[in-house]
Amino acid sequence: QQPVQSPQAVILREGEDAVINCSSSKALYSVHWYRQKHGEAPVFLMILLKGGEQKGHEKISASFNEKKQQSSLYLTASQLSYSGTYFCGTEIDLNAGNMLTFGGGTRLMVKP
Amino acid sequence: EAQVTQNPRYLITVTGKKLTVTCSQNMNHEYMSWYRQDPGLGLRQIYYSMNVEVTDKGDVPEGYKVSRKEKRNFPLILESPSPNQTSLYFCASGSPITDTQYFGPGTRLTVL
Repeated sequence: QQPVQSPQAVILREGEDAVINCSSSKALYSVHWYRQKHGEAPVFLMILLKGGEQKGHEKISASFNEKKQQSSLYLTASQLSYSGTYFCGTEIDLNAGNMLTFGGGTRLMVKP
Repeated sequence: EAQVTQNPRYLITVTGKKLTVTCSQNMNHEYMSWYRQDPGLGLRQIYYSMNVEVTDKGDVPEGYKVSRKEKRNFPLILESPSPNQTSLYFCASGSPITDTQYFGPGTRLTVL
């Protein structure tokens, strides 16, 4: 089942922060985050594995709450280059193979 | 340069005419996958492969076939395309799924 992302869209001014959430109805083994700019392929941001870890990538970080079956992507002091659509992809169980299910995406627009 | 290539990038065809979209990666990745992207539905996995001769169904495999005879290539075959297979298709590779996944540039397919 497809994970649910919220919000569906967000508009920010440069320098503002944003949080994108990804929730699953099933227990998760891992969560992947991608960013896709218009007309381009998705680009990998980070992966979080079961264990409740938090990862960082420049001013973009993410957390994974295994108990709540959800992950959040944090964008701090947003830049114009952060604009795009963000997708979370979830893997429910290592033993279920490596099927990755993506959420519907969150469209982020950063304005000057 | 590490990359995933897809061909063709654009294709317009008619219902029932068999077609193949090729995907090739030069990173010696074990894992390869095919996705389709449709407005409002995000990315949906069609098939994936963990290694040569090992393939498995994703979320939406109906109407598609794949093969993995060589590590670098993972073609997507539409034996009898239908208009509901009009979509943007992405190939991806990684090693293994817990590592970064690299997406190809995409193939925009229109079935009339």
